[in-house]
Amino acid sequence: DSGVTQTPKHLITATGQRVTLRCSPRSGDLSVYWYQQSLDQGLQFLIQYYNGEERAKGNILERFSAQQFPDLHSELNLSSLELGDSALYFCASSRAGGKGEQYFGPGTRLTVT
Amino acid sequence: AQKITQTQPGMFVQEKEAVTLDCTYDTSDPSYGLFWYKQPSSGEMIFLIYQGSYDQQNATEGRYSLNFQKARKSANLVISASQLGDSAMYFCAMRINAGGTSYGKLTFGQGTILTVHP
Repeated sequence: DSGVTQTPKHLITATGQRVTLRCSPRSGDLSVYWYQQSLDQGLQFLIQYYNGEERAKGNILERFSAQQFPDLHSELNLSSLELGDSALYFCASSRAGGKGEQYFGPGTRLTVT
Repeated sequence: AQKITQTQPGMFVQEKEAVTLDCTYDTSDPSYGLFWYKQPSSGEMIFLIYQGSYDQQNATEGRYSLNFQKARKSANLVISASQLGDSAMYFCAMRINAGGTSYGKLTFGQGTILTVHP
């Protein structure tokens, strides 16, 4: 158990819909990262938050948005869903200093039908 | 831009033998970190080992060691005494330590599927 929690574990929804994925980082970790894993794109970085502020953006579509709340949990919002958005979405967290290794949550498997 | 290359789509090893999973990287930044993660069939990503670009010695964590050859830009993972539970996908990843920070996005390779035979 990495200490990072993600809900829900599975999500099945239709094209055009909107979903919210939730992540709680490890206790004490200020940084939260979102990654998307798909068969064709592999593991891709989406966005990073540090202590409530957006720190870096990767290959995140405009239809996607995220935020980190004062209690440090984070949400990833996916809207106008398309079939190609079906993927495993990971949240990871890390603390500043040291190795800064990222610990991953169990992921949310999103299926868009 | 940084890039990670894992050239072995799949590897096979006999139980109790050692196996090396290859990883090469490309970056012009002098400060970076290299990571290996394990992804079993259940899907979770498990952190295995870390090597910093300025570390003088190769990292070791139990049965895992990282063969870091900076001049060749390679960071191969060595698993000793393979176990059946080591069968999984293995990812090499890199983080650029921008501004001296130790947090930042990971760039992943395509992964290597390791199968351990009894």
